[in-house]
Amino acid sequence: DSQMTQSPSTLSASVGDRVSITCRASETISTWLAWYQQKPGKAPKLLIYRASSLQSGVPSRFSGSGSGTEFTLTISSLQPDDFATYYCQQYNSYPYTFGQGTKLEIK
Amino acid sequence: QVQLQESGPGLVKPSETLSLTCSVSGGSISPDYWSWIRQAPGKGLEWIGYISYTGTSNYNPSLQGRVTISVDTSKNSLSLKLSAVTAADTAVYYCARESSDGMDVWGQGTTVTVSS
Repeated sequence: DSQMTQSPSTLSASVGDRVSITCRASETISTWLAWYQQKPGKAPKLLIYRASSLQSGVPSRFSGSGSGTEFTLTISSLQPDDFATYYCQQYNSYPYTFGQGTKLEIK
Repeated sequence: QVQLQESGPGLVKPSETLSLTCSVSGGSISPDYWSWIRQAPGKGLEWIGYISYTGTSNYNPSLQGRVTISVDTSKNSLSLKLSAVTAADTAVYYCARESSDGMDVWGQGTTVTVSS
């Protein structure tokens, strides 16, 4: 299985900050990586697919980069609605696997 | 647009079989792929398995052969069966549409508690 490791597990930041979350795969997954945002009590929402493609309707302050084994989700200027938990997911091979999540908190 | 709705019993006894349905509306179940994902209380996301509209499926080996996912094109729905459940199977269960562009449509999730 491809293990996905996110860092940090928790991130404290303020509105307007630029933040980045890293996801590392235990084996190369090309660009078969997605990022999701989840708010309490809600289903995950797709933000980024194929490592760097922005899902329709997602604000352009979200961006993704990387390939192979190291990936980054960046939010260029945090908005109040962005405080949530973020997950990466590889879909290069079965079983699909998710990172453990990064909780983005208000500082 | 496509919408998904999970349904099924909210309480299942240990050792019994959990059965859930995901109804697809606003679009056809074909020609897409569909996944089940779960999230234990306070934990992360776990992929359970997927099925195509033709019935091709793949399951997470961590569930040790307890999973069956099926599709009913006449009802535009898919189902999940998980046998021999224990308290560790207590979770919110989601269905989602799967593609090469990620899981782009998710149901709202249904909570299943395993308890006697």
